[in-house]
Order: sequence, then C-alpha cells, then structure tokens
Amino acid sequence: TQLLEQSPQFLSIQEGENLTVYCNSSSVFSSLQWYRQEPGEGPVLLVTVVTGGEVKKLKRLTFQFGDARKDSSLHITAAQPGDTGLYLCAGANYGGSQGNLIFGKGTKLSVKP
Amino acid sequence: NAGVTQTPKFRILKIGQSMTLQCTQDMNHNYMYWYRQDPGMGLKLIYYSVGAGITDKGEVPNGYNVSRSTTEDFPLRLELAAPSQTSVYFCASSRQRTSGGKNTGELFFGEGSRLTVL
Repeated sequence: TQLLEQSPQFLSIQEGENLTVYCNSSSVFSSLQWYRQEPGEGPVLLVTVVTGGEVKKLKRLTFQFGDARKDSSLHITAAQPGDTGLYLCAGANYGGSQGNLIFGKGTKLSVKP
Repeated sequence: NAGVTQTPKFRILKIGQSMTLQCTQDMNHNYMYWYRQDPGMGLKLIYYSVGAGITDKGEVPNGYNVSRSTTEDFPLRLELAAPSQTSVYFCASSRQRTSGGKNTGELFFGEGSRLTVL
C-alpha cells in the first residue's frame, strides 16, 4: 500500500515567519500535487510537479519535487494569516486513472497576526 | 460557473437509514470522485468514475454505492447507515490531463457534505 507521510501534522507560527512542510513516501510517484483546504470548504489545487528535482514558485510559496520523485516540500516565506489552512499533498501513479491519486493526512497551519 | 455542487451540506441520519448525496458538475469533466474526510486522516477515495456508465471502487467502498448515468451527475448512495459513516464527504471532478505521459489532472472539489449517523 502506497502511503504519503506529511510532517509536521500541526504548525502554529507568527506572521512573518518562514516554514517548511514535508511530504514523504517510500514509493515513486509520477506527479505530485499540493492542495490547500480552508474550514468548511473543499481543497483547492496550488501546484502540480511532474519532474524529479522540479521547483515551482507561487508568490511566497516554493514547491520542490524530490530527485527520486518520492518526496516533496512546501516552503512559505514570510507567512501571513491568509496562509492559514490545511495543506494536503497528493501523489499520482504512472498512467491509469486519477483513481490512483493518494492523499497525505495533511499539515494544519495556523498563522497568528 | 458553479463548478462542483453537492447537496445536502448537512444531514443527520439514524442507524439503518438510507440516503443519497447528490453531486453535479458543469465543467464537462469525464472523471468524477467521491472522497470521505475524517479528522486527522486526510482524504480516502470511496468510488470514482472515468465516464458515464463506468464506475470503480476506491480504497473504502464498503457500505456505499454509486451510479453515473450522465457526465454531469455522480450520486453516492448510503445503504443502512452506520456510525462509522459519520464523516465529511467530498465530490470532485477532473479532466484527464497528461504531461510527458504522466497523469496531472487537477481535482475540483465541491464544498462538502457533513453527515452524522446517530
């Protein structure tokens, strides 16, 4: 069974701090997605990474896919209260249907003003 | 553009009752999914569909049934509700996309349906 382990599970920081959350697996994924979920809403896609070693930036958010395509990280610079939410990583297998998308348990981030 | 719409948003059931969670999307996506989300457990796939008339089991299908008679609609049926089915249910859709042969389709989620079985 493929698993995606996310760490930390909870993170509470002050506005302006930097943080990194991790998504690790012993399995290789063909691509990996990061979603953010706010209370009472469904997850919303932030980014998809498909190439080992790939780095993508979305304003203050930097996403990296590991060289071996088994892990990924999300770094937030100068966090703001609007970054508060549940961050989920999801790995996809080669080919097949999207039914092979595996979700991690999430990192719950709280940014205090 | 409504995206993915789920109804109802909240429901309380008694043990043994049945109900259907409705899901419709207006993006002409071929793929649709049902997930459940329990506290601290992430998203677990219940059933998914790659097109009208085609459905397949996900990781946790027991106690649920689905149908896909149209591209737009993907209802989830709970038969004989049990307390273990207390959860938040999310419907999602996607259009199959590939990059270098890899599946990279973005999932679009509804707002969720919170179900409590007492």
